[in-house]
Amino acid sequence: SQTIHQWPATLVQPVGSPLSLECTVEGTSNPNLYWYRQAAGRGLQLLFYSVGIGQISSEVPQNLSASRPQDRQFILSSKKLLLSDSGFYLCGSAPPGLNTEAFFGQGTRLTVV
Amino acid sequence: GDSVTQMEGPVTLSEEAFLTINCTYTATGYPSLFWYVQYPGEGLQLLLKATKADDKGSNKGFEATYRKETTSFHLEKGSVQVSDSAVYFCALSDQYSSASKIIFGSGTRLSIRP
Repeated sequence: SQTIHQWPATLVQPVGSPLSLECTVEGTSNPNLYWYRQAAGRGLQLLFYSVGIGQISSEVPQNLSASRPQDRQFILSSKKLLLSDSGFYLCGSAPPGLNTEAFFGQGTRLTVV
Repeated sequence: GDSVTQMEGPVTLSEEAFLTINCTYTATGYPSLFWYVQYPGEGLQLLLKATKADDKGSNKGFEATYRKETTSFHLEKGSVQVSDSAVYFCALSDQYSSASKIIFGSGTRLSIRP
C-alpha cells in the first residue's frame, strides 16, 4: 500500500513570506498526485493535480503554484502568502488508472499571521 | 462539472443510535464513489468505496450503496459508537478524466454522545 509523507505538520508564516510544502509518496510508481485545501469549517477544495512529472493542472486561480520535479514528489509553493491562504493542506496520491481511490498524508496546518 | 452534495452538519447522536448521512452526486460519466473519514487532527482515511451501480461498500459497520437511479451514496450505520465521532466526506472519482480527479463534498461533522 502507499505511504504519503507530508511536512511540516504545522506552520506559522507571516503575510508576504514564501511557502514550500513537500509531499513524497512510497509504494507506487507514476501515481496521480493531488493538493487539497480545507479552510476552517469547510470542505476540501482541489487545488492542483498531476498525472506525471512536470504535468500540473490547476483547478482554481490563486496565489499558489505546484511542481512535480520527480515521479513521487509534489511541492506546493507560494511567493507571497496571504491571510486567506491559511488552512489545512492535504497531499493525496492515487495509483495510475481509472476509478482508483486516493491515499492521503497527515496534512499541514498553515496559519498566516 | 462534477459535484458532490452532502447533508450539512453537525450531526449529534446518542451512542447506539442509527446513522444516515446523505450524499448525492452529479457526474458526466460513471464515477466511482467513496466515503472518507477524518478523525480530529488527522488526514483522510478511506472508509469504503463502490465502483459501479448497485455495489455496496462496507467497513467497520458502515455501509453505502451506489444508487445510479437516484445519484446517491448515503452512508449508514446501525449502531454508532463514541469512537465514530469524526468528519465524513463523500467523494467521487471522475472516470472520464485521465487524472481521475477526486471531487469531495463539504463534509459532515458527526458527534456521538455517550
